[in-house]
This record gives sequence, structure tokens and C-alpha cells, in this order.
Amino acid sequence: DAGVIQSPRHEVTEMGQEVTLRCKPISGHNSLFWYRQTMMRGLELLIYFNNNVPIDDSGMPEDRFSAKMPNASFSTLKIQPSEPRDSAVYFCASSRGQVYGYTFGSGTRLTVV
Amino acid sequence: AQSVTQLDSQVPVFEEAPVELRCNYSSSVSVYLFWYVQYPNQGLQLLLKYLSGSTLVESINGFEAEFNKSQTSFHLRKPSVHISDTAEYFCAVSVRGRDDKIIFGKGTRLHILP
Repeated sequence: DAGVIQSPRHEVTEMGQEVTLRCKPISGHNSLFWYRQTMMRGLELLIYFNNNVPIDDSGMPEDRFSAKMPNASFSTLKIQPSEPRDSAVYFCASSRGQVYGYTFGSGTRLTVV
Repeated sequence: AQSVTQLDSQVPVFEEAPVELRCNYSSSVSVYLFWYVQYPNQGLQLLLKYLSGSTLVESINGFEAEFNKSQTSFHLRKPSVHISDTAEYFCAVSVRGRDDKIIFGKGTRLHILP
């Protein structure tokens, strides 16, 4: 079991550019979550999917953020256009059920300059 | 709505001393409770969880937490900490039987002093 795989590990981009973060959940997990972590705001849930369907996107900051899950083994989080305040560590997590908790990926550290 | 309060943002403690990290939750319905640990530059890892039954739950590395329904608390304890326990610890709650969403606290950073 390779765990939850996120790519890239680090991303540095200029303001205004499009950024795409990728996540491969653990096989057999039917829920997937995107979180953002900053010193100021802590860990924020952005969106979560169940069986590839978005269930709750109330945490998505604004229209510049979008997420997709085209199949059970892949999800993307896109920011277009990016802004310096989007700089954070973005985590993907997956779960096979409520009682099992989440398995987190190693995160993508995004820096927008 | 459910919420989790971690009363201390940082806790300094000497190596081999005991530690308690406090967590209180707010919910009008039954919940599952979790503690996660985040080591530097890593993602969160599940440390232990309370689902039902015995109110005292333990992890493999010596941590334990006790569910106290009357005080709506789930404090994390370790009788003797090691330098390797330096990390951020997150308390989390999930409503039983609802969706898979877990609400996390803001975290407590544990500093181990030599």
C-alpha cells in the first residue's frame, strides 16, 4: 500500500498563473478530502468527495478554486489565477469509512510569488 | 454544529516528564473522537480513536486518551515524553452515522525540552 500520493511536493509559481495539484487516494477508499494548512488559519477543509461526487465544497475560498475527481483513483485541485495569499500546504486525504479515520498524503507546499 | 477546542496552542515539557494535551468538543449528538499527530514536514497520521466501549484508548507509542462524556473532553496524555514526540497534535470529531467529514481542532504544538 503506497498510501495517498500527492504531486508535486513543492510548487513555486508567479501570481496569476494556473496551479494544479494532484492526488491519488488509496485504492478502495471511497471518500477523498482536500485540506489547506497555514499558520494563521490552521487546517481548513476545502472540499470532499464521496464515490467521486462532490459532497461539500463550502470550504472552497472562491471561484478561483476548483476540484475534480474524474475517477476513483485521481483528483485535482486547481487554482486559477493564483495569488500570494494562496501560499500554503495543501493536503489530500482519503478514507474507507467514518470509523477508520483519514489517511493523509505528504502534502504539496505551494508558494505564490 | 460540531466544534473542537484545543485549549493550548503550544505546550513545552521536559523530556521524560508527563504531558497532557487538552481537547474539548461540542456536539448535541453522539460522536467519534480522534487524535492525529503531524511530525515536521509530514502529513497528519492517526494516533488513536474512540468509537465506543472503553473510554480509555491507547496508541502503540505510549499515548492514551480518555473520553469523558459529561465534560465533553478527550484529553491526550503520556506519562513520559521523548524527544521524538516533538510534533503538532490535532484533536478531531466526527458525528456518528452521518458523513465521513471530520472536524479538526487548531492543533497543539508539543515542544520537548532537553
